[in-house]
Amino acid sequence: GAGVSQSPRYKVTKRGQDVALRCDPISGHVSLYWYRQALGQGPEFLTYFNYEAQQDKSGLPNDRFSAERPEGSISTLTIQRTEQRDSAMYRCASSLVASGITDTQYFGPGTRLTVL
Amino acid sequence: ILNVEQSPQSLHVQEGDSTNFTCSFPSSNFYALHWYRWETAKSPEALFVMTLNGDEKKKGRISATLNTKEGYSYLYIKGSQPEDSATYLCARPNDYKLSFGAGTTVTVRA
Repeated sequence: GAGVSQSPRYKVTKRGQDVALRCDPISGHVSLYWYRQALGQGPEFLTYFNYEAQQDKSGLPNDRFSAERPEGSISTLTIQRTEQRDSAMYRCASSLVASGITDTQYFGPGTRLTVL
Repeated sequence: ILNVEQSPQSLHVQEGDSTNFTCSFPSSNFYALHWYRWETAKSPEALFVMTLNGDEKKKGRISATLNTKEGYSYLYIKGSQPEDSATYLCARPNDYKLSFGAGTTVTVRA
């Protein structure tokens, strides 16, 4: 079946612009996660949704970052007034159950964001 | 955030040779360890979820062991092939948040 998809795959933007990154999870997956990955590092947690409810946004770096999942499926991560330090790979993951420690999180291919 | 470390950072293997590398993690309050294979421009592939001390899991030529008491896991690749070239990441969940290591990048030379 289809895996997690993300769009766009690459985004180049100028400093100060807003960007919206989209994640389409595996159909039927309850949980959705956003991570950010710097070059040469493992992904770091940003935020987590259980259905449409944002359960945890403790990893969002500041209030320029926000995320939503209004219908419990597709999610959008929005970065306002982008800065060069926001440049990274943004990855989305989904899992079948809610808050499952042993449940596999399936990752999408990521969106590579470059802020000039 | 849990401190998960992987070593070595990278390694080169001759085709046909076997290799292994390490993931170290805090052993307290352990529930699970996840292994992933990440290739550039592809979606990461989930390899294993390991939960029990002494666990050994296998997928093709790749296998992994787990020692929860001392806080480490080994991943083995037997008879490496060029298609095994990738970055292998381990992650320990803290509730639902995965704390990843920085990965071991394996390059298999033909």
